[in-house]
Amino acid sequence: QLQLQESGPGLVKPSETLSLTCTVSGGSISSSSYYWGWIRQPPGKGLEWIGNIYYSGSTYYNPSLKSRVTISVDMSKNQFSLQLNSVTAADTAVYYCARDRRPFTETTLSEFDPWGQGSLVTVSS
Amino acid sequence: EIVLTQSPATLSLSPGERATLSCRASQSVSTYLAWYQQKPGQAPRLLIYDASNRATGIPARFSGSGSGTDFTLTISSLEPEDFAVYYCQQRSNWPQTFGQGTKLEIK
Repeated sequence: QLQLQESGPGLVKPSETLSLTCTVSGGSISSSSYYWGWIRQPPGKGLEWIGNIYYSGSTYYNPSLKSRVTISVDMSKNQFSLQLNSVTAADTAVYYCARDRRPFTETTLSEFDPWGQGSLVTVSS
Repeated sequence: EIVLTQSPATLSLSPGERATLSCRASQSVSTYLAWYQQKPGQAPRLLIYDASNRATGIPARFSGSGSGTDFTLTISSLEPEDFAVYYCQQRSNWPQTFGQGTKLEIK
């Protein structure tokens, strides 16, 4: 059974860089035809797709965050990571990692399943 | 970017009642619409994909309908575990976007 788990600091100072890692178990990032991505949810609010990555390094980013986001993959650790720079209080959110439900050979626009449990990141001095 | 508007924001019903949740898109998304359920402290769970197809393991009391810009999630007879927040998501145009959610609460 495929499982995803986020990890990283829960507190980041304004103007600094938010860094999170998603560890995948029960399957290999590099042996599948799926994109792996990040979605966030500010407290009490809705969901926002951040971006995703294929194990080859191909990425897609939400235009609203593109200038500040980098997603990378480490196949040796079966992990992918999110970096969001120049953070403000508006970036405070629960950050989820998730896999596209559909393989990229079918489409690059997909539902998301499964999801990690989420990691709360607070931006505050 | 396609905007999804969900209504109502909050729906108060009793167990056993029928729930009808709405999602309206700012432009046609064909049938490329999904529904998720989210309980407090948990990640969203995929319920419905392509407007009307139940995801694996989802009970038959959940059904989805619609196409173009207007979609409905129906829960035929509410169970206690169904009280949660529900989100719609489109995958018709990039970037994928979500609605703001409907909270289904116990009356």
